[in-house]
Amino acid sequence: NAGVTQTPKFRVLKTGQSMTLLCAQDMNHEYMYWYRQDPGMGLRLIHYSVGEGTTAKGEVPDGYNVSRLKKQNFLLGLESAAPSQTSVYFCASSAPGQGKYEQFFGPGTRLTVL
Amino acid sequence: QQQVKQSPQSLIVQKGGISIINCAYENTAFDYFPWYQQFPGKGPALLIAIRPDVSEKKEGRFTISFNKSAKQFSLHIMDSQPGDSATYFCAAKNSGGYQKVTFGIGTKLQVIP
Repeated sequence: NAGVTQTPKFRVLKTGQSMTLLCAQDMNHEYMYWYRQDPGMGLRLIHYSVGEGTTAKGEVPDGYNVSRLKKQNFLLGLESAAPSQTSVYFCASSAPGQGKYEQFFGPGTRLTVL
Repeated sequence: QQQVKQSPQSLIVQKGGISIINCAYENTAFDYFPWYQQFPGKGPALLIAIRPDVSEKKEGRFTISFNKSAKQFSLHIMDSQPGDSATYFCAAKNSGGYQKVTFGIGTKLQVIP
């Protein structure tokens, strides 16, 4: 089992450019999440999904969009990148419907917006 | 508004000492309190978790102490080792809705030889 994987690992963008971060999990988890991690701010939830075809906003959704077309994949898009979106992005998955609340995290994507 | 308040933000402990990280919450709907450990360049991973009907949970050198009336919980790392150097996040899960997990801001622990 690969667990949760994220692509790419690093990326540098110029202000205004767009990109998509890909998250994949092979644990058949229903729930998936996108977080950003910034110094002194902890982990903040951007968007989440409770199942294939569903998405919802988290704490800091502005400037991001997501899609969950397949159960195993969760995509995070930045339509017009801004320097404030420089961060480390983590994807996670869990199976709370099975009484399992542990979130499994990917290795992260370090994004720099110039 | 920080729903889970974590302190300190950084901690330096000598090898063999006890590391203590504290968290406090307000929301009485929280029903599951995990701690995550994150090594540099890696994603967080579940370390240990507790439910509010238990006052203490121990796994090896790691212990969670939980005080429901004070709405506080803490992580104790006994006999701290350099390999424990990492960032630790406390968290709390909401019992309702989609069972959202709220994380503290994290504590960077450094264990020096």
